[in-house]
Parts: sequence; structure tokens; C-alpha cells
Amino acid sequence: RKEVEQDPGPFNVPEGATVAFNCTYSNSASQSFFWYRQDCRKEPKLLMSVYSSGNEDGRFTAQLNRASQYISLLIRDSKLSDSATYLCVVTSTDSWGKLQFGAGTQVVVTP
Amino acid sequence: DARVTQTPRDKVTEMGQEVTMRCQPILGHNTVFWYRQTMMQGLELLAYFRNRAPLDDSGMPKDRFSAEMPDATLATLKIQPSEPRDSAVYFCASGLVTGTGGNTEAFFGQGTRLTVV
Repeated sequence: RKEVEQDPGPFNVPEGATVAFNCTYSNSASQSFFWYRQDCRKEPKLLMSVYSSGNEDGRFTAQLNRASQYISLLIRDSKLSDSATYLCVVTSTDSWGKLQFGAGTQVVVTP
Repeated sequence: DARVTQTPRDKVTEMGQEVTMRCQPILGHNTVFWYRQTMMQGLELLAYFRNRAPLDDSGMPKDRFSAEMPDATLATLKIQPSEPRDSAVYFCASGLVTGTGGNTEAFFGQGTRLTVV
């Protein structure tokens, strides 16, 4: 079983709609959580960190559920420019800060 | 504007040749990662360093790959001899890890697109 798992999608979302997807992690010692965004043929870029209490950045909301060991990302009022692959990243206290990436969830926002 | 710099951006080489990829991490970051990305495998961690010391290189084929940090401003990834299956995008990332293992954000370079023919 992979340490970090994501639904690969694609999630086809009409412009203006809301889309949400999860990422599950298997290591209970996981400590830090992030969402990255990767556009085609570009490098991954940090979208947001995920805090225990949940956090929001504009149209993006991230949640952490430690009991069930998953994080989620919700995008409201989707824009065409939100089309990308969203990568879930987890680090653990027993792996000295190693970034574990999920395989990514592809989101396609359509007009 | 601090950024991770990778060179070269693109490299085409013949099978059997040595390839060296370079990375300049963000000043002040203590951790450097090397990742490889292909369509089939996604992002694979090859190796990473903390304060220039290798922490984990288990993702790297040891017979042909080597990673080093000669100094705090330079990380290198070498492939010798290169093979067509090494064709991929190689990303370097740097970040700051605190003493408890917690990470601040990691930032990626633009990658080196390697094609081995």
C-alpha cells in the first residue's frame, strides 16, 4: 500500500462549480501536510499548508482529519485556471522531513 | 525573489554518456530533495540531504546514479552510464526542516528534462 493515496481523477468541473477531493495517508506519525499544484510540464508549486484546525485561502479550503487519516481540498467557484493536477504531500516525524507525494488528482474545469 | 535554480533545463544525450544535473537551493534551506517524474510513475523521491548530509538515497539506482552536495549552494545528481529508461524530468526542491522534523514549505526548481537516446 502506498503511503499517500489520491484519486487520480480526472474531476471534470463546470466553471463556477465546487469540487472537493481527498488524500489518505497510512503513517500515523504523519506531521505536516500540504497541497501542491502542478500544471502540465511545470514544476509543482505549493498551494497551501494544511493545519489541524482546517484553513482557507480564498476559494480554497483544506481540512485535516487525523482520526481517519485523510486531508481534503475544496475549490469553490472554480475557474478555468484551476485546471491542474493537485498533489497531496505528507511528512512524518519518523522520516526526518521526507516529503511523501501522492500521485495527484487531475482537475479539469470546463467552460 | 528566492528560488531554486536547476541547470540544464533540457538535456539530450546518447545512451552510455554521463549526465550531470545541478541545483542551487534557496539560501538558508537545510534540506534538498531530488525527485524524478515520469508519466507512468509520478514523482519518485531519489535522494535527499539535510545540512549537506545524505539522509536517504534508497530511491536511487546505486549502480549508475550518485547524488552529492559539495557545498551548501550546490547539489548534483549524476547518471553514469545513462540509459533510455532514465528519460524523465528531474526536479530539485529545497526546504527548511525544524529539529522536530516538521517541515516548512518546500520549493521546486523548474526541472531538468532529460532525454536519453
